[in-house]
Amino acid sequence: EVQLIESGGGLVQPGGSLRLSCSASGFSFSSYAMLWVRQAPGKGLEYVSAINNNGFNTYYADSVKGRFTISRDNSKNTLYLQMSSLRAEDTALYYCVQNWNSDNWGQGTLVTVSS
Amino acid sequence: DVVMTQSPLSLAVTLGQPASISCRSSQSLVYSDGNTYLNWIQQRPGQSPRRLIYKVSNRDSGVPDRFSGSGSGTDFTLKISRVEAEDVGVYFCMQGTHWPKTFGGGTKVEIK
Repeated sequence: EVQLIESGGGLVQPGGSLRLSCSASGFSFSSYAMLWVRQAPGKGLEYVSAINNNGFNTYYADSVKGRFTISRDNSKNTLYLQMSSLRAEDTALYYCVQNWNSDNWGQGTLVTVSS
Repeated sequence: DVVMTQSPLSLAVTLGQPASISCRSSQSLVYSDGNTYLNWIQQRPGQSPRRLIYKVSNRDSGVPDRFSGSGSGTDFTLKISRVEAEDVGVYFCMQGTHWPKTFGGGTKVEIK
């Protein structure tokens, strides 16, 4: 069974930083691209970032480009999202998603940016 | 970015009756490999999203056959043949053909 467990969310002040992690199991992690998708409270879904299976290619939404960095450690079956210069509008539940075609989703980790 | 427009915004359905959700994209979703990367995502209240349908009409494992997807090019539809209580939630269409991936605004399905 595929499991994606996000962690690292919390309350951070505007301008601050946070690193999210996603621990993956139940599939061959190094064979799949991975994505981060977020959902602001009571709102819809927004793609944030993606990384190919070997980590060589990364993609970002314009809204986070230059502030967020996606990475992965295939030896630890873990996906990361380093977030800096955080803004109030980054407040959301962040989901880890398996594969380009969004095969499986984690439970999410909540990031709140507020002073 | 490709804009995904869903209708209706919400839908109140009697148990056992059909429901239909429309999704329209601002550009064709046919990829260069010939596939159309249009997914339907279900989000039940308090739960994380779950993919129901991929590449227009393929049901994911464990998805009841009362769910079906159809369409082509820029116009797509999700149908529930007989709505059950567990189908309550928000449904999103999502395109994976163009970067960045984009989602429709969602359709809330509730029981009348």
